[in-house]
Amino acid sequence: DAKTTQPNSMESNEEEPVHLPCNHSTISGTDYIHWYRQLPSQGPEYVIHGLTSNVNNRMASLAIAEDRKSSTLILHRATLRDAAVYYCILRPHGTASKLTFGTGTRLQVTL
Amino acid sequence: GAVVSQHPSWVICKSGTSVKIECRSLDFQATTMFWYRQFPKQSLMLMATSNEGSKATYEQGVEKDKFLINHASLTLSTLTVTSAHPEDSSFYICSAQDRGRSNEQYFGPGTRLTVT
Repeated sequence: DAKTTQPNSMESNEEEPVHLPCNHSTISGTDYIHWYRQLPSQGPEYVIHGLTSNVNNRMASLAIAEDRKSSTLILHRATLRDAAVYYCILRPHGTASKLTFGTGTRLQVTL
Repeated sequence: GAVVSQHPSWVICKSGTSVKIECRSLDFQATTMFWYRQFPKQSLMLMATSNEGSKATYEQGVEKDKFLINHASLTLSTLTVTSAHPEDSSFYICSAQDRGRSNEQYFGPGTRLTVT
């Protein structure tokens, strides 16, 4: 499985934007970049995914580097409810493939 | 959005007994479901892939006779922890794959198992 590298932890102030980086230098051409987050004592929650182009949804934006070797999850205005562990995962397109979770980034949001 | 439920949300059992955990996809059919285990302050680890109507595929190091998986319908998969021991205490999470949404996986809320 292609591997991703994320910082162990990040901090943000409430109401400010947060940029969560992910490196995936061994990504293959068919790998989609998926982001999930896990709030304390809950199952992971799908956030966003993309292949090559930047993506936006109601939760976040995903900026993908032109060479696809890195990506950034952007939370436009962090709230206390965004405090969670964020996982960046590569997944081949179109298959019933499993998700391999790394250690993720623990985001702390303060007032 | 796609909803996956798990039951029970928490369970306490005595050592040596068996515990069944249910995973249901509420608004979509899931031919494939996954079972994960998460120990405190660690990441999720995949235990097995559950396919409707066929045997589950277990990850290396996971005992298939101890963790019995049944996926009898397109909306229900069950995980039975047999002869549970304190070291099986963990957070068990399932996910279901929605073919209608590009095979995206949606996760249940998890089941916390404590074996005394």
